[in-house]
Amino acid sequence: GQNIDQPTEMTATEGAIVQINCTYQTSGFNGLFWYQQHAGEAPTFLSYNVLDGLEEKGRFSSFLSRSKGYSYLLLKELQMKDSASYLCAVRALTGGGNKLTFGTGTQLKVEL
Amino acid sequence: GAVVSQHPSWVICKSGTSVKIECRSLDFQATTMFWYRQFPKQSLMLMATSNEGSKATYEQGVEKDKFLINHASLTLSTLTVTSAHPEDSSFYICSASSTGQGYQETQYFGPGTRLLVL
Repeated sequence: GQNIDQPTEMTATEGAIVQINCTYQTSGFNGLFWYQQHAGEAPTFLSYNVLDGLEEKGRFSSFLSRSKGYSYLLLKELQMKDSASYLCAVRALTGGGNKLTFGTGTQLKVEL
Repeated sequence: GAVVSQHPSWVICKSGTSVKIECRSLDFQATTMFWYRQFPKQSLMLMATSNEGSKATYEQGVEKDKFLINHASLTLSTLTVTSAHPEDSSFYICSASSTGQGYQETQYFGPGTRLLVL
């Protein structure tokens, strides 16, 4: 099976930088995804890592270390609209194809 | 690109009735569609995976006779909650992925359907 851990809640200040960590244990690792989910809405795709290293996309960056089973999502220049739940999801080759297992999500609150 | 729609967005029904939810990929052909359920303040739980033209694969603990999935085309999958009961009230979300170039088999989510069974 798979085990994914991420902090339940985080608070940060508008304009600051926040890093949301995710650790995972899985066999047949085949990619890690980050999604943003606002309350009452469906998740929206933020980033995808399958190789070690940093992927940068505007204010959002995601890092992966496969040997450590570790990823983080970095959000820069925080805005109030970034207040949302951030979901870490792992894809594994075992269990069939493109299936994702989601962490419980990190609820980020951005304050003035 | 990669837009997924769901219909209806909200449904309220009486206990014992059946509810059908549609999931459509609007601008790409989805080789695989997924159905998730999410209870308040919890993460997404995968219910089943469906590939066009074949039977859905259900996750452990999900009753396939209660949650009927049909994936008749590369752009449409339906989930029917049969004989719905109040404990089936939840947020149902579909996602679609494609093995086509540029999609990296990323799952793109629909806007979700909120089901309330009275």
